[in-house]
Amino acid sequence: QSVLTQPPSVSGAPGHRITIPCSGSSSNFGAGSDVHWYRQLPGMAPKVIIFRTNERPSGVPDRFSASKSETSAFLAITGLQSDDEGDYYCQSYDTSLSAWVFGGGTKLTVL
Amino acid sequence: QLQLQESGPGLVKPSETLSLICNVSGGSISKVSYYWGWVRQSPGKGLEWIGSKHFGGSTYTNPSLKSRVTVSVDASRNRFSLQLTSMTAADTAVYYCARLFDWAGPFYWYFDIWGRGTLVTVSS
Repeated sequence: QSVLTQPPSVSGAPGHRITIPCSGSSSNFGAGSDVHWYRQLPGMAPKVIIFRTNERPSGVPDRFSASKSETSAFLAITGLQSDDEGDYYCQSYDTSLSAWVFGGGTKLTVL
Repeated sequence: QLQLQESGPGLVKPSETLSLICNVSGGSISKVSYYWGWVRQSPGKGLEWIGSKHFGGSTYTNPSLKSRVTVSVDASRNRFSLQLTSMTAADTAVYYCARLFDWAGPFYWYFDIWGRGTLVTVSS
């Protein structure tokens, strides 16, 4: 059971918008910890696509954005493309566990 | 461009100690803003941070694994390593070495560069 909770899967049609939620608690997001998002393709390492809640590394298109509330975070992808498929993970720092923690991951399927 | 590459045994016997090395190329391990460490991924538990160490000596270890984990940094060889003792089947996973970007406190840190990962199976 992950400290950060994500749905196992989401799907959307090409060109549409999807969001991936990441539910946390008062010991991570609520304590002020940032959220970061990673994308993982089969057989590959995770790669950061959003850091410090809503900043994008160079090369990540602005179709990817994110937000954070008191105990939840959201990754949004607009103009969905087949290349966006993969597993997406949220990550934060948990003060109760004194550890950097990840969500369980969400598999994105483009219909 | 900085790259990380894991090396080590793919098979470890129960109760033995796992030793993995991560070689850093394309940049120096002796940079102030980074910690060097390990994350593993197993089907049952997803991604799990193991531990990270700064070249200056400061270390963070996951409390759930703390008694079994040693992360070391060898600046002279530009590499770092993981030792995980008392291995069991539950430790079977893909082990990634990863750089943790140190900025304004742990609340803001994230893993900005990863190795390709190495599968470690625990079996007799």
